[in-house]
Amino acid sequence: DTGVSQDPRHKITKRGQNVTFRCDPISEHNRLYWYRQTLGQGPEFLTYFQNEAQLEKSRLLSDRFSAERPKGSFSTLEIQRTEQGDSAMYLCASSLEAAASEAFFGQGTRLTVV
Amino acid sequence: RKEVEQDPGPFNVPEGATVAFNCTYSNSASQSFFWYRQDCRKEPKLLMSVYSSGNEDGRFTAQLNRASQYISLLIRDSKLSDSATYLCVVPDYKLSFGAGTTVTVRA
Repeated sequence: DTGVSQDPRHKITKRGQNVTFRCDPISEHNRLYWYRQTLGQGPEFLTYFQNEAQLEKSRLLSDRFSAERPKGSFSTLEIQRTEQGDSAMYLCASSLEAAASEAFFGQGTRLTVV
Repeated sequence: RKEVEQDPGPFNVPEGATVAFNCTYSNSASQSFFWYRQDCRKEPKLLMSVYSSGNEDGRFTAQLNRASQYISLLIRDSKLSDSATYLCVVPDYKLSFGAGTTVTVRA
């Protein structure tokens, strides 16, 4: 499968625990995006990378969230001290650098904080 | 004003009907747009791109009105399989999504 893959697909965690998600983009894509989606809403931008550089981070993203893309390939999103409000679907997408390039999404990681 | 706003719906239509809905955007410099389709509990997938005044792909037609800053999507001869949420996307650096328009096609 050469699409975007995310791991795990589902995660249940207790409030206060740390969680880490992984995203493997399409290999030739140098842009990688993280989004969060809750029921009835569109995907909400969290952050994006151009190769290994994190170029933008949403102002809505608290300091508990951090993302990395150390070698410009896979990326990780960590949430520290999870809260119930963090429960959502976390989507990763990748695209070519060219403006207005189609973004391909992974199947997402569904996080439930109990 | 939100960057991208959509008719929320839901639009509940019978098979064979035509359904259309709009998306407005705030950045007048935007040159291109996407419509993505998202099935329940699945990831969004590209439906069509809109680069000039519009685009047509089979039963789906997208139109762009730059003066009024909106994009429309029209579905003709709707099928049960068209039931989904349709997301309008403005591809600035971060891909700004609307909240989605839910369409349900009934038999």
